[in-house]
Amino acid sequence: EAGVTQFPSHSVIEKGQTVTLRCDPISGHDNLYWYRRVMGKEIKFLLHFVKESKQDESGMPNNRFLAERTGGTYSTLKVQPAELEDSGVYFCASSHPREGDYNEQFFGPGTRLTVL
Amino acid sequence: AQRVTQPEKLLSVFKGAPVELKCNYSYSGSPELFWYVQYSRQRLQLLLRHISRESIKGFTADLNKGETSFHLKKPFAQEEDSAMYYCALSGHPINFGNEKLTFGTGTRLTIIP
Repeated sequence: EAGVTQFPSHSVIEKGQTVTLRCDPISGHDNLYWYRRVMGKEIKFLLHFVKESKQDESGMPNNRFLAERTGGTYSTLKVQPAELEDSGVYFCASSHPREGDYNEQFFGPGTRLTVL
Repeated sequence: AQRVTQPEKLLSVFKGAPVELKCNYSYSGSPELFWYVQYSRQRLQLLLRHISRESIKGFTADLNKGETSFHLKKPFAQEEDSAMYYCALSGHPINFGNEKLTFGTGTRLTIIP
């Protein structure tokens, strides 16, 4: 079974440019999460999709970040315009819902974003 | 607010010596606690969760609600244990939709041969 995949693995852009990150979850996983780790800090939750709906977007830092999951399959995270503080590693995770029990989250390899 | 604290950024231990990675948390409610591990050039993966009470790769972790701690322990360290370890918590699964993970800053464990 293929794991969670993310594209690109690395992205280097200049401040003010736009970048779109993509995540393909494990097939059949309704839950999809975005997290990010900025330099020296903890991995922080950004948002959670259940199928195509945003269940929780409390971690999105500001309106420069836009996440979509059209059709409930892959998801994109767009940063527009990018700022220096957006640099970090962006992780995607997916899980299969099981009511009343914890759904183990499977992580992708991450996208390393560098904003110059 | 939920918070996870890992006081040690770096920890070096000799092979064969005991290992303890510290984790403290704050959460208003009944949390689920986890340890995630990231080996070199690999992705983040679940090591163990408190509710399963398992020993994985020789590691155990006991949830101490009085001390709000979830320290990770292994009696005899092995070289392949070198990795980045993250303590994390989430809301109780009965609260559907509250599965987001809150991570600590991580501890880089190095096993000295």
